[in-house]
This record gives sequence, structure tokens and C-alpha cells, in this order.
Amino acid sequence: NAGVTQTPKFHILKTGQSMTLQCAQDMNHGYLSWYRQDPGMGLRRIHYSVAAGITDKGEVPDGYNVSRSNTEDFPLRLESAAPSQTSVYFCASILGASGKTRDTQYFGPGTRLTVL
Amino acid sequence: AQRVTQPEKLLSVFKGAPVELKCNYSYSGSPELFWYVQYSRQRLQLLLRHISRESIKGFTADLNKGETSFHLKKPFAQEEDSAMYYCALRETSYDKVIFGPGTSLSVIP
Repeated sequence: NAGVTQTPKFHILKTGQSMTLQCAQDMNHGYLSWYRQDPGMGLRRIHYSVAAGITDKGEVPDGYNVSRSNTEDFPLRLESAAPSQTSVYFCASILGASGKTRDTQYFGPGTRLTVL
Repeated sequence: AQRVTQPEKLLSVFKGAPVELKCNYSYSGSPELFWYVQYSRQRLQLLLRHISRESIKGFTADLNKGETSFHLKKPFAQEEDSAMYYCALRETSYDKVIFGPGTSLSVIP
């Protein structure tokens, strides 16, 4: 298994441009999340999905959209990028989709995004 | 509100010295606590979780509910321990994991 994969690894955008960050997992995990990592802020959850067709907002959802058409993929879209969205983005997955499972959360390698 | 604090942004210790990375949390229920580690240019990975009561790479962490702390300790630091460490709390409702701001550990040879 490749685990959780993310593309691209790096990208530079201009303000106002759009961009989709890709996340895929091949572990048949139900629960996927997008986080952004900023210095001194730790990781903050942007959006998450408990199963295909179901998405919900995390703590910092503004400026981002997600979709979950199947179990494997969970793309994150920036419709009109802003410099404040310069960050490192991580996708993470957990096996369980509900209940009080104690499953481990697996992280992707991250995407470093710069918005000029 | 639930939160996780890590008071030290940067921590430098000499190789062979003991190391303690502090983590405090505020949560009204019974949390599940984790430590994640991120080595340079690598993804985050789970280091340990309090329910396992295990020692990974020589690190241990004990949940102290009275002090609402989950400090990470290692008796003898190694150079390869240099990394970013994040303390995290998962609510019993499951759908939310709260991360602390992180502590960058530098082990000086």
C-alpha cells in the first residue's frame, strides 16, 4: 500500500488563481481530513469527510472547498487563492468512519503552497 | 474550549541529556492524547498514544489528569531525535483532533 499520497509536493500560485490539491489513500479508510500547518499554530483542520459523499467543515474552512466522490480521493480546492493561504497542507486518514474507534491517523507527505 | 498548549517553541538539549517536552490540555471529558513527530522534510507520524502506555524510540508520556498534562520524556536524547513534536488531543466524540502549536527539538552533538 502507498498509504496516503498527496500531489503536488510544492506549488506557487498568484493571488486570485485557483488550485486543487490532491489527496488519495489506498487503505480503504473512511475518514479523511485536510489540515494546514503554520508556524506557531500547529495543525488546524480545514475540512473532513467521514465517507464518500459526506463532507463537513473543520475549524478553518473559509476559502477552501472539498469533495468526496469515492473512498480513495479527497481533493482540496482553492477557488481564489490569497497570500494568507500560504501554508503546508496535510491530508490525513483514519480507518474508522464512526463511533469511538481508536484507529491511528495517517498523514500524507504534505503540499507546500505559496501564494504570491 | 478545548485546547492543547506546548509552552516551548524551541528546545535545545545536548546529546545524552534528558529531555522533556511539555504538553498541557484543557478538556472537560476524557480525552485521548497523542504525540506526533515530524522529522525534517517528512510527514507527521504517530509517536505514541496514552492509551497504549508504550515506549517508542525511548520516549514515554504519562497522562496526568490532575495536572491535565501529557509531557513527553526521554532519559537520554539522541541526535536523531531532532524534529518537530506535536501534542494532540482527540475528543471522545471522535471527529475532532486538536493539535498543539508544536515544539522544535534540537539535540546538540
